[in-house]
Amino acid sequence: AQKITQTQPGMFVQEKEAVTLDCTYDTSDQSYGLFWYKQPSSGEMIFLIYQGSYDEQNATEGRYSLNFQKARKSANLVISASQLGDSAMYFCAMRAGGTSYGKLTFGQGTILTVHP
Amino acid sequence: KAGVTQTPRYLIKTRGQQVTLSCSPISGHRSVSWYQQTPGQGLQFLFEYFSETQRNKGNFPGRFSGRQFSNSRSEMNVSTLELGDSALYLCASSPRGPALSGANVLTFGAGSRLTVL
Repeated sequence: AQKITQTQPGMFVQEKEAVTLDCTYDTSDQSYGLFWYKQPSSGEMIFLIYQGSYDEQNATEGRYSLNFQKARKSANLVISASQLGDSAMYFCAMRAGGTSYGKLTFGQGTILTVHP
Repeated sequence: KAGVTQTPRYLIKTRGQQVTLSCSPISGHRSVSWYQQTPGQGLQFLFEYFSETQRNKGNFPGRFSGRQFSNSRSEMNVSTLELGDSALYLCASSPRGPALSGANVLTFGAGSRLTVL
């Protein structure tokens, strides 16, 4: 079984500053993928970034980067230069195994509030 | 390129009724997954369909069912609704490439918000 833990229910950041959202995971699978999604108040889940367990480089997508520490089983999301539009719920998720195509295990989420 | 379309967006039902939710995936995506989101339980996987066959199922009672059509559109049905079924139901589609690949990202729709009275 897989488990995702997000220990920060809420985070606050000043506009233009960087923020780190924490995510730890637990799985017995050697091969897995880690995802971050953003969910604004509208409800739609927006994909941000992906990291594979065998990827040696940390993933980056524009202002988003994933700080992947495999030994610690952590996959923290770093948002640089926060914008007001970044205010939303953020979910860390994992897909494990080679056949679980559509099945992601999600954490409880972190609500990010960006202050002007 | 159109995204994942879910209908209806909002609906209100009473206990004991049944509901059918619809999902049209991104063109070319053949895999459709369904998730339930509630404040208490968070996001939970319901099931996944590919090539009109259920490929994976979450831990939900038999009242929750789904199907997929030949054009990859999917529907999910909840029978004998209970108050606890009130939730945001999210559908996601993916191209179903290599499972552990950044290319196989799930793209979600805006969801169907169900309220059971």
